[in-house]
Amino acid sequence: EVQLVESGGGWVQTGRSLRLSCVVSGFTLDRYGMGWVRQGPGKGLEWVSGISSSGVTTAYADSVKGRFTISRDTAKNTLYLQMSSLRPEDTGFYYCASVADYWGQGTLVSVSS
Amino acid sequence: DIQMTQSPSSVSASIGDRVIITCRASQGITNSLAWFQQKPGKAPKSLMFGASILQSWVPSRFSGSGSGTDFTLTISSLQPEDFATYYCQHYHAYPYSFGPGTKVVL
Repeated sequence: EVQLVESGGGWVQTGRSLRLSCVVSGFTLDRYGMGWVRQGPGKGLEWVSGISSSGVTTAYADSVKGRFTISRDTAKNTLYLQMSSLRPEDTGFYYCASVADYWGQGTLVSVSS
Repeated sequence: DIQMTQSPSSVSASIGDRVIITCRASQGITNSLAWFQQKPGKAPKSLMFGASILQSWVPSRFSGSGSGTDFTLTISSLQPEDFATYYCQHYHAYPYSFGPGTKVVL
């Protein structure tokens, strides 16, 4: 059974950092492209960042470029999102997802002063 | 970057109705398109990928078509559990963007 379980969300002050984790079971990260998607309160889905199945290619939405870093640990089959210089507009649910397939249940990030 | 649009933004329908949702890409994406369903307070769930390939857990009343820039999601006979918001997403090239969503309401 495939499972994606996110953790690491919470409340953080504006300008601080947070690291999200996504533990994957049921498939290995080196077989699928992966990514993070977020959803602000009452808003639609926003693609945030992606990493290729090889791990060589990473990409970011313009809204987070230079502040967020996606990475993975294939030994732990875990995906990460390091978020720094957080802003109130980064508030929302963050989902870990394989490209076009499986999603986690999400972790809530709340940023305020 | 590729922009995705959807129409309509909201559709009012009844049980048993046929519902069609359209998704358009600002440039050609071959068939690199996925559809997702999201219910309030829940994570999105994948319906199909490759524009028309249903996930194993999706009932056959759902179908998808299209290639290039224009795509459709069809629900052939709307069921109570289908009231939700539907999103398309391309995965042709980074950044992988979503459409704004279509809400299916009673």
